Amino acid sequence: EDKVVQSPLSLVVHEGDTVTLNCSYEVTNFRSLLWYKQEKKAPTFLFMLTSSGIEKKSGRLSSILDKKELFSILNITATQTGDSAIYLCASMEYGNKLVFGAGTILRVKS
Amino acid sequence: DSGVTQTPKHLITATGQRVTLRCSPRSGDLSVYWYQQSLDQGLQFLIQYYNGEERAKGNILERFSAQQFPDLHSELNLSSLELGDSALYFCASSVGNLNNEQFFGPGTRLTVL
Repeated sequence: EDKVVQSPLSLVVHEGDTVTLNCSYEVTNFRSLLWYKQEKKAPTFLFMLTSSGIEKKSGRLSSILDKKELFSILNITATQTGDSAIYLCASMEYGNKLVFGAGTILRVKS
Repeated sequence: DSGVTQTPKHLITATGQRVTLRCSPRSGDLSVYWYQQSLDQGLQFLIQYYNGEERAKGNILERFSAQQFPDLHSELNLSSLELGDSALYFCASSVGNLNNEQFFGPGTRLTVL
């Protein structure tokens, strides 16, 4: 059965800290790995990773995929209270089926 | 505001009933995706349509069906509703077929009593 596991489930940090969120996957016909940020309502797309070892960056957020070890990490540097959210990762198979992890709840304290 | 609209915002109905959720994608987007999010199951991908055709199927129950119309809006039909169908239903859209950047609507909260 396809599965995506995120860790940690939850973490609390102080503003300015750097955090690393983990996502491992066991998926047949893997195509891409996607990261989303969910605040109060709808998820917001962050990254789609298809190639191994190529870092994607957007401001203080960056992510990388390791297709050999079947995991991805999402890094957030110099965290701000606005980074508090649930971070979701999802694997996409060929055929476009998506499988989501349970999410990591990040809380950034001022 | 993502540009994706969903109606209604909230829906309360009884078990055994049937409801229709509606989604209008962003202008120019050809793909529409439906998701279900509940406390115990997390976010689950249900189905994708691209330019009117079904392209991908996830954990969608047989009691649920969807379609995308020529004007690209989409409807998700949920029938024989059960208590466990209570959830937040999201629609998302993207330009292409390959699950690239998706834009999520605000969701429809369905409560089945």
